Amino acid sequence: QQQVKQSPQSLIVQKGGISIINCAYENTAFDYFPWYQQFPGKGPALLIAIRPDVSEKKEGRFTISFNKSAKQFSLHIMDSQPGDSATYFCAARASNYQLIWGAGTKLIIKP
Amino acid sequence: GAVVSQHPSRVICKSGTSVKIECRSLDFQATTMFWYRQFPKQSLMLMATSNEGSKATYEQGVEKDKFLINHASLTLSTLTVTSAHPEDSSFYICSARDQQGPQFFGPGTRLTVL
Repeated sequence: QQQVKQSPQSLIVQKGGISIINCAYENTAFDYFPWYQQFPGKGPALLIAIRPDVSEKKEGRFTISFNKSAKQFSLHIMDSQPGDSATYFCAARASNYQLIWGAGTKLIIKP
Repeated sequence: GAVVSQHPSRVICKSGTSVKIECRSLDFQATTMFWYRQFPKQSLMLMATSNEGSKATYEQGVEKDKFLINHASLTLSTLTVTSAHPEDSSFYICSARDQQGPQFFGPGTRLTVL
């Protein structure tokens, strides 16, 4: 029940395309859902986050869609650029403020 | 976003020695700091949670006598890997949060034990 399932494991998108990464969770007590971007050899950087009382949040080219009834949320990257190539992690925050992490998605944007 | 620093960024040590990694929150007071370990191509694995002035809470399977964590102030936490062995080689990452906010991560420390 503490798991967060993330898919796909890897994703290749053409430059200018839309990248979509999906996550699903079971624990309805999770209260905060962040997405992190990680480049090789670096720590994760907070990209965008959403709370369960909101269905969508957009920041620039990045959008989170949240479906509370389905217990799913997704990250959409519009107009994907080669600089977006990185590993993306979804996470869910438990009541003790710990983050439960997805397995990660390696995104490659082809020029 | 808030800034978290880690030092050193890379360390190479001989087997049997101890290594200290520092994690600092530069522009906010971190009531809670987290230490993670990440293996290549894998997700982050939480090792322990520390609150300022309290003993760290370790995750199951993490040896507290081997991975000593100190959170002496609201801006500094340290992780000491004692008697390091090659299997301790990994990427160690800290994160910090204040009372209200999300976790912000440091840049990580690459530990190589020879």
